[in-house]
Amino acid sequence: AQKVTQAQTEISVVEKEDVTLDCVYETRDTTYYLFWYKQPPSGELVFLIRRNSFDEQNEISGRYSWNFQKSTSSFNFTITASQVVDSAVYFCALSEVGSGTYKYIFGTGTRLKVLA
Amino acid sequence: DAGVIQSPRHEVTEMGQEVTLRCKPISGHNSLFWYRQTMMRGLELLIYFNNNVPIDDSGMPEDRFSAKMPNASFSTLKIQPSEPRDSAVYFCASTNVGGAYNEQFFGPGTRLTVL
Repeated sequence: AQKVTQAQTEISVVEKEDVTLDCVYETRDTTYYLFWYKQPPSGELVFLIRRNSFDEQNEISGRYSWNFQKSTSSFNFTITASQVVDSAVYFCALSEVGSGTYKYIFGTGTRLKVLA
Repeated sequence: DAGVIQSPRHEVTEMGQEVTLRCKPISGHNSLFWYRQTMMRGLELLIYFNNNVPIDDSGMPEDRFSAKMPNASFSTLKIQPSEPRDSAVYFCASTNVGGAYNEQFFGPGTRLTVL
């Protein structure tokens, strides 16, 4: 069965600290996609990144970076030099291509608080 | 280009009343998803449509919930009769399902409060 675990319920850091949000997934499918979304206090869900199961290259976008490791079924998200505006709930999601449904399974989210 | 549009943004109603939530997906997208978000259950997929056809409604909690997509640019989620436990934020998302696997884009959500 497919499952996404975000074990960190809430993290608090001081501005300019680096922080890593963990995401561990379970799937029996060999082809799948992983996603990260940000939900700021205003409530909308903002897409951050998509990664397919055949692409294990790490990605960096400004202060954001993602580390995908199939060996440990993890897709972790690091924010470098965090800022107050990074305060939000971050969701990791999995979608199995083999199911043909394009459904997402979301983790329970990690609430990040960046203190000034 | 406009994103996913949802209305109303906030809805307060009394138990037993009918509630209709509306969604306009991004133009050109062929798949639409309805989600519900609560503190207790997180983000749950209720139903999704592909080319206006319901594909999977296994997440619809009970017969009080129904969803329609009469055309490619409009969908509704109806709750009749509403109950206090239906209070949640309801999100609509759309994407283009085809050769490439694309991410879903979410609307701003409708915050529903049933008294």
